[in-house]
Amino acid sequence: KNEVEQSPQNLTAQEGEFITINCSYSVGISALHWLQQHPGGGIVSLFMLSSGKKKHGRLIATINIQEKHSSLHITASHPRDSAVYICAVERPKTGTASKLTFGTGTRLQVTL
Amino acid sequence: GAGVSQTPSNKVTEKGKYVELRCDPISGHTALYWYRQSLGQGPEFLIYFQGTGAADDSGLPNDRFFAVRPEGSVSTLKIQRTERGDSAVYLCASSPASGGAVNEQFFGPGTRLTVL
Repeated sequence: KNEVEQSPQNLTAQEGEFITINCSYSVGISALHWLQQHPGGGIVSLFMLSSGKKKHGRLIATINIQEKHSSLHITASHPRDSAVYICAVERPKTGTASKLTFGTGTRLQVTL
Repeated sequence: GAGVSQTPSNKVTEKGKYVELRCDPISGHTALYWYRQSLGQGPEFLIYFQGTGAADDSGLPNDRFFAVRPEGSVSTLKIQRTERGDSAVYLCASSPASGGAVNEQFFGPGTRLTVL
């Protein structure tokens, strides 16, 4: 079983819909990252969070440490939101290492 | 300012050949990470540098893979005797510091390696 699981694997939505992507993890973490990857490979960090909720524009990320679960929400979705969204966890540091363990990603397509 | 850059963007090689992949991190970032992403999968950790030293190389799949960062800036990932299974996108990321804080990682565009 992967340490980080995402659902759904694929998601198609119509423009304007509210979207939720889920991430569950099975290990202790110091932080959780949500990343966006567009075709061609470029990865952009959207959020880092270790508790509660963060909002940036139409994007909202929440985390429940006790349940080992995080969600990424997109409000008023738009075709330009089409991308792969990846959840990654950062384990508590041993020494100085802070490597990420990634989920397999959720491929989102928003249509007109 | 400039982000993380990686060269080449694409590399096609033949089985058994040696390849070098280069990463230029954001200036001043002391931490540098190499990840590998196979088709349809999330990235997998390979190696992490703090300054010039490899702080964690537990993700390197075998001794054909090696990485250096001699001056604490540019890093080179070296793959000897390439195999078809090495085909993937190799991603580099850098972050400002280590220590106790949680740090955002800034990713490069990746190098797509194809081993024929």
